[in-house]
Amino acid sequence: GENVEQHPSTLSVQEGDSAVIKCTYSDSASNYFPWYKQELGKRPQLIIDIRSNVGEKKDQRIAVTLNKTAKHFSLHITETQPEDSAVYFCAAPLYGGATNKLIFGTGTLLAVQP
Amino acid sequence: ETGVTQSPTHLIKTRGQQVTLRCSSQSGHNTVSWYQQALGQGPQFIFQYYREEENGRGNFPPRFSGLQFPNYSSELNVNALELDDSALYLCASSPVPGQGQAFFGQGTRLTVV
Repeated sequence: GENVEQHPSTLSVQEGDSAVIKCTYSDSASNYFPWYKQELGKRPQLIIDIRSNVGEKKDQRIAVTLNKTAKHFSLHITETQPEDSAVYFCAAPLYGGATNKLIFGTGTLLAVQP
Repeated sequence: ETGVTQSPTHLIKTRGQQVTLRCSSQSGHNTVSWYQQALGQGPQFIFQYYREEENGRGNFPPRFSGLQFPNYSSELNVNALELDDSALYLCASSPVPGQGQAFFGQGTRLTVV
């Protein structure tokens, strides 16, 4: 099965700065990597995902990069805003290509200081 | 909003009791997965249901069981509750089994005392 490690566990940035969260995975068969944002007391919300046939994907201020050789993927948030403050989780398929049976990282608490 | 709804939102049970949690999947989604999220941790995969059958299971004991109904809604049952079962239980629906994105409901907060 897959194993996912996520760093850092906490991240504090000034409003307008960029934030980067990194994850590594162990199973070379994994082919799908989503990122979820979870605000306090709310559901995990899918914010962006990437499949293994591409190296980068962008959606406005959010981007995800994937390095299959090194087995790591990263979330990049540019021009951070206070409403970006939340816990962010990376995930990977628990078994090979089953993209909706996920193993999650331990989470990164992002605090954006106004 | 994802269209995935769960009930109840909060629940308090006593150790040793049994509990049933419910989930209605998003319209058009036939696959439901259940996750347990302990405080300060990421969600952990419990199992997935497709066509009323279990379709994959994580590292959870048999006292965690589930059902899926013809309308794709699902139940999670936990017997012989333990204090460590206290967590947020999340349901996620997907359009097909094993593929596609997972969209979560708001969860049920279970407290075992």
